[in-house]
Amino acid sequence: QVFLVQSGPEVKIPGASVNVSCKTFGYTFSGHGLSWVRQAPGQGLEWMGWISPYNGDTKSEQKFQGRLTLTTDTSTSTAYMELRSLRSDDTAIYFCARDKDSFLGYCSGGACPSSLDFWGQGSLVTVSS
Amino acid sequence: DIQMTQSPSTQSASVGDRVTITCRASQNIVTWLAWYQQKPGSAPKLLIYKTSNLVSGVPSRFSGSGFGTEFTLTISSLQPDDFATYYCQQYDHLSTFGQGTKLEIK
Repeated sequence: QVFLVQSGPEVKIPGASVNVSCKTFGYTFSGHGLSWVRQAPGQGLEWMGWISPYNGDTKSEQKFQGRLTLTTDTSTSTAYMELRSLRSDDTAIYFCARDKDSFLGYCSGGACPSSLDFWGQGSLVTVSS
Repeated sequence: DIQMTQSPSTQSASVGDRVTITCRASQNIVTWLAWYQQKPGSAPKLLIYKTSNLVSGVPSRFSGSGFGTEFTLTISSLQPDDFATYYCQQYDHLSTFGQGTKLEIK
């Protein structure tokens, strides 16, 4: 069975950084990309970025470029999301989610990311002074 | 960036109703569109991928259609478990979610 288990809630002051982990179980970690998606309180879903554990390739929404770093540790099948220079409007639940389709080694339409079939439980990040 | 516009934002319906949710893309995304269901306090659940492919275990009352810039999610006969928020997602170029459609009990 596939599971994604995320780290616990965080409270940060504005300007700080946060690191959220996503440990995966039940599948070949390098075989599927992972996306990070966030959801502000009472709001919709916002895609942030994607990483391939196979080759470390990353893609991200332009608004996060310069603040977002995605990494993976293949030895522990864990993905990490670091967001820097936090602001109050970064307060949200952060989800990791697995690509449904296997990563074929290159990105094209419908890949990087693909649809997202398994999700972590979410990690609440609160940014407040 | 590709923008996704869902309509309606909120829909009131009754058990047994046929419900249709629309998602429009700001540019051609071919068939690279997925639909998710989210209930309060839970992560989203993938229902349909590549426009019309039902995920294993999802009831057959859910269906999807469309191509290019116009897509629909249809629930043929609404059940009590279906009252939730639904999101479309494009994954033709990077990814974008629609703003969501909340399905409420009438």
